Amino acid sequence: DIVMTQSPDSLAVSLGERATINCKSSQSVLFTSNNNDCLAWYQQKPGQPPKLLIYWASTRESGVPDRFSGSGSGTDFTLTISSLQAEDVAVYYCQQYYTPPLTFGPGTKVEIK
Amino acid sequence: EVQLLESGGGFVQPGGSLRLSCAASGFTFRDYAMAWVRQAPGKGLEWVSILSASGADTYYADSVKGRLTVSRDNSKNTLYLQMNSPRAEDTAVYYCAKGSAYSSMSCLDNWGQGTLVTVSS
Repeated sequence: DIVMTQSPDSLAVSLGERATINCKSSQSVLFTSNNNDCLAWYQQKPGQPPKLLIYWASTRESGVPDRFSGSGSGTDFTLTISSLQAEDVAVYYCQQYYTPPLTFGPGTKVEIK
Repeated sequence: EVQLLESGGGFVQPGGSLRLSCAASGFTFRDYAMAWVRQAPGKGLEWVSILSASGADTYYADSVKGRLTVSRDNSKNTLYLQMNSPRAEDTAVYYCAKGSAYSSMSCLDNWGQGTLVTVSS
């Protein structure tokens, strides 16, 4: 099974500042057929279901603000919120969908400093 | 608009059985993989199972293999999760989620609101 890890567990960022979350997979999730990484990012606000933010490691889902961006390849990935807004307070999860079981990372909680 | 509505949650005794349903609308159900993801109280997301669009390919987390069974009825636009002999550790909110593609190699682009299952004697 592919194990997903995230760092940090939590972070507090001032409004308007950058937030960076890291995700690492225990093996490559590169889909060679299209040369894309099978890595997604989700946002979960309290009391709500998760919401897809990013897929193929760096493709923003429709309607997601452009302050959210994904980067990385192979086994190391990053979610960046370029200018944190109050509504971005949430837990963020990465997930690999390269091979079942389609494992999630443990989550990173983002708060306002 | 994609809508996923889970039902069937509630209390179940260890060793009992329960069936969850997920009614889908707003998209061509038979063209997409569907998944179940659960979240124990205060914990992170745990992927449970995914079923390809045709139903031919099904995968499970090791923690539920042999006890939970996923199925779909493409004529009714409905996804199911049969829980047999549940354990206390199966207590969680169960989310139904739509895959982004036909195959099981899918991220999850739409989620239901979830249904709570509590396993307790």
